[in-house]
Amino acid sequence: DIQMTQSPSSLSASVGDRVTITCRASQSVIRYLNWYQQRPGKAPELLIYAASNLQSGVPSRFSGGGSGTDFTLAISSLQPEDFATYYCQQSYTIPRTFGGGTKVEIK
Amino acid sequence: QVQLQESGPGLVKPSQTLSLTCTVSGDSISTAGYYWSWIRHHPGKGLEWIGYIYHSGSTYYNPSLKSRLLISLDTSKTQFSLKLSSVTAADTAIYYCARESSSSSAFDYWGQGTLVSVSS
Repeated sequence: DIQMTQSPSSLSASVGDRVTITCRASQSVIRYLNWYQQRPGKAPELLIYAASNLQSGVPSRFSGGGSGTDFTLAISSLQPEDFATYYCQQSYTIPRTFGGGTKVEIK
Repeated sequence: QVQLQESGPGLVKPSQTLSLTCTVSGDSISTAGYYWSWIRHHPGKGLEWIGYIYHSGSTYYNPSLKSRLLISLDTSKTQFSLKLSSVTAADTAIYYCARESSSSSAFDYWGQGTLVSVSS
C-alpha cells in the first residue's frame, strides 16, 4: 500500500493567515492526489483533484501543487469557515489511501 | 444534484455481519464512469478506503478487508450495499458511501455517514 504522510498534524492560525499543508507519498503517485476538507460532524468534501484542479464551487483561495511524492495544499487567506481537518488521498493505485489529516485550529 | 444516503443498524454484535445500504439519488448507478465506494473513519483516526463497485458489477476491495467483504449493486433500487462479516470492536467506525468519478479519480460526492458500533 502507498503510505500518505501529512504535516503538520495540527496547526493554529488566525483569520487572514496563509496556511500550507504538505503531503508526502511513500512512492510516486504522479499527480493522482486529492485534497478534502472535513468539518466536525460532516462528511469530507472534495477541494482539489489531480494535485492542482479546483473542484467546482470551491473558493479560489484554495490551491494545490506538487507531483511525484510531494504535494501541498495552500489556503491564501484563512476564513472562519476554513477551520477544519484536511486530508490528502492518492488515487494512483488500489487500495486508495488517505493521509492522517491536518487539523487547522483558530489561534 | 447527486445525493447519497447510508442506512443500516447502528449496533452490531461481535462475530456478526455488518450490513449497510447506500441509496443514490440524482444519478444512475448504471452510468459508466463512476465507482460506488465505501469508506470508514475510525474514532480519532484517519480515513480508510474499504472498496468499491463499478456499474458492471466489478468489485475492488481493500486487501486488508477482502476476506470478510462483499459489495453489491442493485440497479433497480439505485442502491449499493456493504456486508462485512466476523466483525470486532476494531470495525467500530463512521461508515461513508461515496462516488469516485473516473474523470477526476476523486471522491466527489459523499453520504453524511453512519456510525456503526460493534459491541455485545
